[in-house]
Amino acid sequence: QVQLQQSGPGLVKPSQTLSLTCAISGDSVSSNSAIWNWIRQSPSRGLEWLGRTYYRSKWYDDYAVSVKSRITINPDTSKNQFSLQLTSVTPEDTAVYYCVRGGYGGNAGRFDYWGQGTLVTVSS
Amino acid sequence: EIVLTQSPGTLSLSPGERATLSCRASQSVSSSYLAWYQQKPGQAPSLLIYAASSRATGIPDRFSGSGSGTDFTLTISRLEPDDFAVYYCQEYDDSPPWTFGQGTKVEMK
Repeated sequence: QVQLQQSGPGLVKPSQTLSLTCAISGDSVSSNSAIWNWIRQSPSRGLEWLGRTYYRSKWYDDYAVSVKSRITINPDTSKNQFSLQLTSVTPEDTAVYYCVRGGYGGNAGRFDYWGQGTLVTVSS
Repeated sequence: EIVLTQSPGTLSLSPGERATLSCRASQSVSSSYLAWYQQKPGQAPSLLIYAASSRATGIPDRFSGSGSGTDFTLTISRLEPDDFAVYYCQEYDDSPPWTFGQGTKVEMK
């Protein structure tokens, strides 16, 4: 059974960096089938895909245009986890953040396992 | 980027009734790469339907999906108390960014 366990602070000050980690059990961050995503949800923006990382003989990543200049998603093979960093946050980045697995069945964007979610509030 | 519009915003029904939820795409979703998710309060969304009509593992057969191109439907044949939740459609056509609809809330009448 795949489980995704998120960790990270729930409060971040404006202009600082939001950092979250997703620990994977039951699969590997280096899997040649899986794709590891971050998605956020807020009342104003709904569910918003932010970006992904995946391994296919080498590491790849893709990001949403809306956050492309501020986001980094990194794998950590030694700990079997991946992380999200979002710099220069504003109150608009307040949301519940989810780490999510996709990629199985040949469908990169089909999301079959989700982390528990982390409410991140951007406020001074 | 494909825009998904769900209707209605809220559906008020009683247990045992049939629920029909609509998802319309701004352009054709190729190969029916359309999924439905259920979200209950305080929980992450969970996959119900993929490829427009295939049920995810463990999903009961009272949930069914249909449609192609730009028009898709999720049907719950007989609502059970556990089915009252918010439902989202999502396209996963080709490459990202992938988008979600704004959701339909199925509430108890």
